[in-house]
Amino acid sequence: ETGVTQTPRHLVMGMTNKKSLKCEQHLGHNAMYWYKQSAKKPLELMFVYNFKEQTENNSVPSRFSPECPNSSHLFLHLHTLQPEDSALYLCASSPTGLRGNQPQHFGDGTRLSIL
Amino acid sequence: RKEVEQDPGPFNVPEGATVAFNCTYSNSASQSFFWYRQDCRKEPKLLMSVYSSGNEDGRFTAQLNRASQYISLLIRDSKLSDSATYLCVARTGNQFYFGTGTSLTVIP
Repeated sequence: ETGVTQTPRHLVMGMTNKKSLKCEQHLGHNAMYWYKQSAKKPLELMFVYNFKEQTENNSVPSRFSPECPNSSHLFLHLHTLQPEDSALYLCASSPTGLRGNQPQHFGDGTRLSIL
Repeated sequence: RKEVEQDPGPFNVPEGATVAFNCTYSNSASQSFFWYRQDCRKEPKLLMSVYSSGNEDGRFTAQLNRASQYISLLIRDSKLSDSATYLCVARTGNQFYFGTGTSLTVIP
């Protein structure tokens, strides 16, 4: 059982809809990440949060809006998406500081389809 | 130049074969390294961390050469269930740099 939980697992939405992806981790980690993975493509880092502060925005379009209210929760708000945004969206978390040599843990992902 | 580079394959090997994957990283400040396994349409899962002295977990052996900035994964006695994409990862601070993955198919 993963310590990182993502909801929903699947999402189909129209280009004009607004929806949010949710990620929650129960591992006591301080860093959280959003990745995008299109079909048969490598992982693309989108955002990094460290202690609730955004430390990385990898030139992501503004139609993707992250929110990190605390170290355990991460959201990705979606608005006016395009068909090419259809992908698997993965959340991950990792420890920092003295445990900064440890790996990331991933959620199961949200499979997003834009109609 | 990419932070982490690995041969994308594909590697198609018969059951029982030994297969090795290699990976190089560009940032000498990277402090820790990992191999992940990703099945089709699933999330990456940690296979093993890679330690400087080399480490083994059953049929899997990982090696790190900091001088050459090189990481390897050896799989012995391949099983059908080993078919997946294997991702090499270097951690630098709080950033994780993933290779593009090496595809392995184990053939009956």
